[in-house]
Amino acid sequence: DVKVTQSSRYLVKRTGEKVFLECVQDMDHENMFWYRQDPGLGLRLIYFSYDVKMKEKGDIPEGYSVSREKKERFSLILESASTNQTSMYLCASRPRGLSYEQYFGPGTRLTVT
Amino acid sequence: DQQVKQNSPSLSVQEGRISILNCDYTNSMFDYFLWYKKYPAEGPTFLISISSIKDKNEDGRFTVFLNKSAKHLSLHIVPSQPGDSAVYFCAASDQTSYDKVIFGPGTSLSVIP
Repeated sequence: DVKVTQSSRYLVKRTGEKVFLECVQDMDHENMFWYRQDPGLGLRLIYFSYDVKMKEKGDIPEGYSVSREKKERFSLILESASTNQTSMYLCASRPRGLSYEQYFGPGTRLTVT
Repeated sequence: DQQVKQNSPSLSVQEGRISILNCDYTNSMFDYFLWYKKYPAEGPTFLISISSIKDKNEDGRFTVFLNKSAKHLSLHIVPSQPGDSAVYFCAASDQTSYDKVIFGPGTSLSVIP
């Protein structure tokens, strides 16, 4: 059974704090993704990675960075959290090849006060 | 400007009847379309997909129809069941930007017993 886990379900941070969101997948997938979900906007791609130490910007990378030191782990970093980064963050993974289907984690609800 | 639109934020249907969820897209380069289903407090899960070389794909109670000339697709659920109550996201991609799947804002479906 495929599994994508995220380190926290709920997180509350203060403005200016550095925030780490962790994602781990056990399916040996090459590709991993970070999205944020906001009402009326759907899921928007922040960053993705197609291999260890590789990363590509998505549609809204500003204010975020990522790290992929191991194949199974993809971290999203908010260098200095701001209130407009309050959102639901979803991690996903996908195997390499012609498959668009992604496997999502349960999400982290981040509130920045 | 949203490339994938779901103009109905919510939909209510009686149990046993047909649910029709609509999706419109603007990018004529899109050649693959997916539907994801999301329950509260869970990540989205893949439901059904369709390639642009087809106009229909069926999987049990779920059928997706694609009208390329109108840049429109729809998801039909027959018969609708209370367990189908969830948010449904339409998504699209193309081979030139394979990893950038664009999601619509979602439609919340309520199936009333």
